[in-house]
Amino acid sequence: ETGVTQTPRHLVMGMTNKKSLKCEQHLGHNAMYWYKQSAKKPLELMFVYSLEERVENNSVPSRFSPECPNSSHLFLHLHTLQPEDSALYLCASSLDSYTDTQYFGPGTRLTVL
Amino acid sequence: GDSVTQMEGPVTLSEEAFLTINCTYTATGYPSLFWYVQYPGEGLQLLLKATKADDKGSNKGFEATYRKETTSFHLEKGSVQVSDSAVYFCALSDRQGGSEKLVFGKGTKLTVNP
Repeated sequence: ETGVTQTPRHLVMGMTNKKSLKCEQHLGHNAMYWYKQSAKKPLELMFVYSLEERVENNSVPSRFSPECPNSSHLFLHLHTLQPEDSALYLCASSLDSYTDTQYFGPGTRLTVL
Repeated sequence: GDSVTQMEGPVTLSEEAFLTINCTYTATGYPSLFWYVQYPGEGLQLLLKATKADDKGSNKGFEATYRKETTSFHLEKGSVQVSDSAVYFCALSDRQGGSEKLVFGKGTKLTVNP
């Protein structure tokens, strides 16, 4: 695999479920990002990790919980979501958190019923 | 804070037509500017970038010039193809705290008909 991969590509969950999104980058980068893409809105940066440490948390509700066990993997743990959380969740990586060029994965299309 | 404004879509063109998608920005510093493209069902791909005033980014026939005097970074292509149908995002980099953040516009959907 090359680039940035995300699994699953599609996820449907109920409001009481717990699920996790996975992102893996094969680029040797040290920074990883979670974005939320909703219809008719600009991409929203959710979290930034640099060398497995969270450096940014943009006022994201606690029902979204990120985890970065190493520089190649990033997870987004989901619990007690709301229907308005339905969106495309994009993962990205960059060489480091000071490098402006980011490489994106294909996204996970999340639907909350 | 920094922001990006790009033209509302959707934009519909015939094959071989000329494309312009306008993008203007507001920034306190000297950001790098980007165009990303998102094909149906996929994530964002970097299309081109420019890092300083008067730089021209180009890729796959697309071009954009960093215009500091007009705070613009308009995307152009001389002859579009059906395969260019996608959503195009203008973005700038914004150094805040411990990281470089990308600020995106809302995106412009382009449909090219044969």
